[in-house]
Amino acid sequence: EAGVAQSPRYKIIEKRQSVAFWCNPISGHATLYWYQQILGQGPKLLIQFQNNGVVDDSQLPKDRFSAERLKGVDSTLKIQPAKLEDSAVYLCASSTTERGFYYNSPLHFGNGTRLTVT
Amino acid sequence: SQQGEEDPQALSIQEGENATMNCSYKTSINNLQWYRQNSGRGLVHLILIRSNEREKHSGRLRVTLDTSKKSSSLLITASRAADTASYFCANFEFMEYGNKLVFGAGTILRVKS
Repeated sequence: EAGVAQSPRYKIIEKRQSVAFWCNPISGHATLYWYQQILGQGPKLLIQFQNNGVVDDSQLPKDRFSAERLKGVDSTLKIQPAKLEDSAVYLCASSTTERGFYYNSPLHFGNGTRLTVT
Repeated sequence: SQQGEEDPQALSIQEGENATMNCSYKTSINNLQWYRQNSGRGLVHLILIRSNEREKHSGRLRVTLDTSKKSSSLLITASRAADTASYFCANFEFMEYGNKLVFGAGTILRVKS
């Protein structure tokens, strides 16, 4: 099966500019996640979708970050305006369900987008 | 949510030796997962241990879970240079508004050949 696709691979922008990341999950995976990974730290969940509905976005800085998952497939994550502290790798992941419970299922990650804000 | 704590933060061993890394949470442990991340890549799922299991094996990997201590250990036996990577534990937290996977800070493993 094809893996989780993310683009772009790298992005360099100046602070206060906007940027968008794209993710195509594994076909058939209902759950999609966006994680932020700052250098030297573990991934931090930004937003989690179940089909096209939001399950959790409690750690998404909603004044500058937005995400959508149209038709329950592809997803985009946007930052506007960017700050220096947004420099990180943005990871998209997807998972299926096992016997109706997605917390039994492993996450499949893309290779991420490395964002540098100068 | 509480990020998991992992120790050691970094580990350097010789090829052929065993590597042990530990993970603990302040919240209750549910289904705990371990992931590997090679430099510049995404995370790869290694193993899942359910809350009612105490030990699980997969190839050269052995995971133990102690729910009373809210901790887990990952043992890699007979390590290889290709095992050089960062290793993360992840615990599902049940929240009133949804469940989410919370990762630890990771252990950087370097296997010298």
